[in-house]
Amino acid sequence: EAGVTQFPSHSVIEKGQTVTLRCDPISGHDNLYWYRRVMGKEIKFLLHFVKESKQDESGMPNNRFLAERTGGTYSTLKVQPAELEDSGVYFCASSRTGTGLNEQYFGPGTRLTVT
Amino acid sequence: AQSVSQHNHHVILSEAASLELGCNYSYGGTVNLFWYVQYPGQHLQLLLKYFSGDPLVKGIKGFEAEFIKSKFSFNLRKPSVQWSDTAEYFCAVNKKAAGNKLTFGGGTRVLVKP
Repeated sequence: EAGVTQFPSHSVIEKGQTVTLRCDPISGHDNLYWYRRVMGKEIKFLLHFVKESKQDESGMPNNRFLAERTGGTYSTLKVQPAELEDSGVYFCASSRTGTGLNEQYFGPGTRLTVT
Repeated sequence: AQSVSQHNHHVILSEAASLELGCNYSYGGTVNLFWYVQYPGQHLQLLLKYFSGDPLVKGIKGFEAEFIKSKFSFNLRKPSVQWSDTAEYFCAVNKKAAGNKLTFGGGTRVLVKP
């Protein structure tokens, strides 16, 4: 089966611009997660979707970040307007419901650089 | 605040040496524990996990980890490393009462010299 995919792999934007990251989870996975790793820091949870609903968005840093998962398939994470501190690697992960609930499969990440 | 600590940021060792990476967490209550690995140029992959039962968990590629509840630790071990084990290793914890989110340690970069 295909793994979690993310697009783009890299993005370089200027402060104040908008960027949209996309994540395609493994087919059939209802759970979708976004994480972020800022340079030199740990990977931090941003939010969790179950199908199209936001189950937990406690990690979203501020209202410049908007995540959507229309139709419960792929997800987008938009940053508007981007700030310098938003630079980092954004990871998406997905997992099944049921017994595999906590085994999360990660995508390759999108490296975002805000200049 | 809930946290996960990995004691070593960088480890350098030679092939055939033994590896042990420390991981401690600061939660009370029931947890699920994970070790993930990121090889150069690749995505995060699950090495092993602990949900319940035998506290000594065996994972892929000869890795194992031991959950010691009294010490809030979940250390990763491999008796004899190979050059291909060069990677960054992440410990992660899920607090069962707090949903599915994972809390990660800061990662340990391991370089195995041939």
